[in-house]
Amino acid sequence: DQQVKQNSPSLSVQEGRISILNCDYTNSMFDYFLWYKKYPAEGPTFLISISSIKDKNEDGRFTVFLNKSAKHLSLHIVPSQPGDSAVYFCAALGGGTSYGKLTFGQGTILTVHP
Amino acid sequence: NAGVTQTPKFQVLKTGQSMTLQCAQDMNHEYMSWYRQDPGMGLRLIHYSVGAGITDQGEVPNGYNVSRSTTEDFPLRLLSAAPSQTSVYFCASTEAGAGELFFGEGSRLTVL
Repeated sequence: DQQVKQNSPSLSVQEGRISILNCDYTNSMFDYFLWYKKYPAEGPTFLISISSIKDKNEDGRFTVFLNKSAKHLSLHIVPSQPGDSAVYFCAALGGGTSYGKLTFGQGTILTVHP
Repeated sequence: NAGVTQTPKFQVLKTGQSMTLQCAQDMNHEYMSWYRQDPGMGLRLIHYSVGAGITDQGEVPNGYNVSRSTTEDFPLRLLSAAPSQTSVYFCASTEAGAGELFFGEGSRLTVL
């Protein structure tokens, strides 16, 4: 059973506009959420995270929102740039699991057109 | 500043062959993990380790063995490769108290 779901396999946006990537989770024990970015032929790299005690975390152009009641988080990229084109994975941790034991979603391919 | 290093980057095996994917990190991280990435499945945890001498199974451990004799190294062994193990494998590490994993560049394995 997929505990972390990214229901949009792909997203296409115009340069300068906002990109919104969504993620849903089912395990209410998750208490820390992360977004990773992956370019082809490279390993995923950490982008931004949020603890369940917060509902928003911002880092430059990237903002993550967490809605615990809906078990939903989203990543906003404003403004989007062509270099943001990549696969984005959301991941979750918690419920007493060890660090390094993240549960990942399926990923969303973001394409930003010039 | 090597970070997490995986070898080999590419490998083709025949069904039934064995091999080891190597992973080394130079950040003195306690936690190390192996994930596999398959289309539409995201990254799934195979095995992980919370320190030298301690390993445990993840979501998809069947067909894989691991050991952790040193802090730096965490090899993944395929004892008898099967076509279902065709995938891209990522090794990752993190320090205690942190959630952010540092990933290697990946190893693409094809089993014929």
